[in-house]
Amino acid sequence: ETGVTQSPTHLIKTRGQQVTLRCSSQSGHNTVSWYQQALGQGPQFIFQYYREEENGRGNFPPRFSGLQFPNYSSELNVNALELDDSALYLCASSVGSMGETQYFGPGTRLLVL
Amino acid sequence: AQSVTQPDIHITVSEGASLELRCNYSYGATPYLFWYVQSPGQGLQLLLKYFSGDTLVQGIKGFEAEFKRSQSSFNLRKPSVHWSDAAEYFCAVARSNFGNEKLTFGTGTRLTIIP
Repeated sequence: ETGVTQSPTHLIKTRGQQVTLRCSSQSGHNTVSWYQQALGQGPQFIFQYYREEENGRGNFPPRFSGLQFPNYSSELNVNALELDDSALYLCASSVGSMGETQYFGPGTRLLVL
Repeated sequence: AQSVTQPDIHITVSEGASLELRCNYSYGATPYLFWYVQSPGQGLQLLLKYFSGDTLVQGIKGFEAEFKRSQSSFNLRKPSVHWSDAAEYFCAVARSNFGNEKLTFGTGTRLTIIP
């Protein structure tokens, strides 16, 4: 148990739709990172939020966006879903943004049809 | 940019046998190195990490890893595996001394344990 929760656990959407995934971090963890894990691959960094502001972004298009709230929760929004967006989406929380251990949630599995 | 290579996609080991999972990284400075384990349908659990100091790092569940700068490696070892160790193992690297501490993962090694 890492104290990081994600919802929903599974989700099915159709191409072109929009989706919002949610993450609840450990209390006191002011940094949240989101990763996309395609089937058979390692997680790929999407972006990180530190104190409610974006603090770095991986190689993902702008239709991937996020929010972080003061109550240690956060969201990942994906617009105009594509088939390749089907993946496990993981959030990870940590204290600070300088090499601290990241604690991962169980993930949300998204299937785009 | 940093990168991680896990050369073994799948390893099968007998229960009670020793285990070594390989990890090679590419990064110009001293990296932060991690091993995570992922059981089916689960998120990632941190096994151990290396930031600095002693190059032999002890982790949870009886795992250890050794940082070898000359070989750019951070191999994971366990002297005697248990059936519950069957899972996917990921090596990851992060840049040190940098505020945006994203993790770069390898593609993973799936470990199967046979009786």
